[in-house]
Amino acid sequence: AQSVAQPEDQVNVAEGNPLTVKCTYSVSGNPYLFWYVQYPNRGLQFLLKYITGDNLVKGSYGFEAEFNKSQTSFHLKKPSALVSDSALYFCAVRDGKGNAGKSTFGDGTTLTVKP
Amino acid sequence: NAGVTQTPKFQVLKTGQSMTLQCAQDMNHNSMYWYRQDPGMGLRLIYYSASEGTTDKGEVPNGYNVSRLNKREFSLRLESAAPSQTSVYFCASSDNTEGTDTQYFGPGTRLTVL
Repeated sequence: AQSVAQPEDQVNVAEGNPLTVKCTYSVSGNPYLFWYVQYPNRGLQFLLKYITGDNLVKGSYGFEAEFNKSQTSFHLKKPSALVSDSALYFCAVRDGKGNAGKSTFGDGTTLTVKP
Repeated sequence: NAGVTQTPKFQVLKTGQSMTLQCAQDMNHNSMYWYRQDPGMGLRLIYYSASEGTTDKGEVPNGYNVSRLNKREFSLRLESAAPSQTSVYFCASSDNTEGTDTQYFGPGTRLTVL
């Protein structure tokens, strides 16, 4: 079985400060990890993914995520937050061994960036 | 290139009524998915189709049926709507030939069952 946890329902940061949105996962095989963002009244948009290779993955809008195998984590980060980054963020995981089509999503973390 | 489109955007039903949610993608993706999103519960997979002609149950399939009409279209049917099916429904697609299943989502359908 695979699972993903986003331990924080809400993250608040000031504009210009660094931000981190946390994600931990559990899979039996090699993890495929994803971050998606959802703006109000919109569908989810792909931000970045880790499949293999460099543990630091860079994605859209200046976001990056660090894969940590020993801590089974894949935290989303950005060095300097913008008000426009305020949205709902979802982490997702899929077992790389087959299981195509069955990514498991976390419950989401609401990021609020204040001016 | 419209990506993933869904119709309708909003719908209100009475308990016991039926309806079909439509989804289409123009990215030539093999796989398509239906999710529901409820507050505090993230996205839950209802059904998915790995390729044209195949469908499989997800986490919460009860009360729903699906049809993969062709490679582009994947519909979700509620035969007898219940208030517990009030939710936002998202369709998604992915190119599973790339092996990673990065998913692309439609704008959603907001369904209220009275």
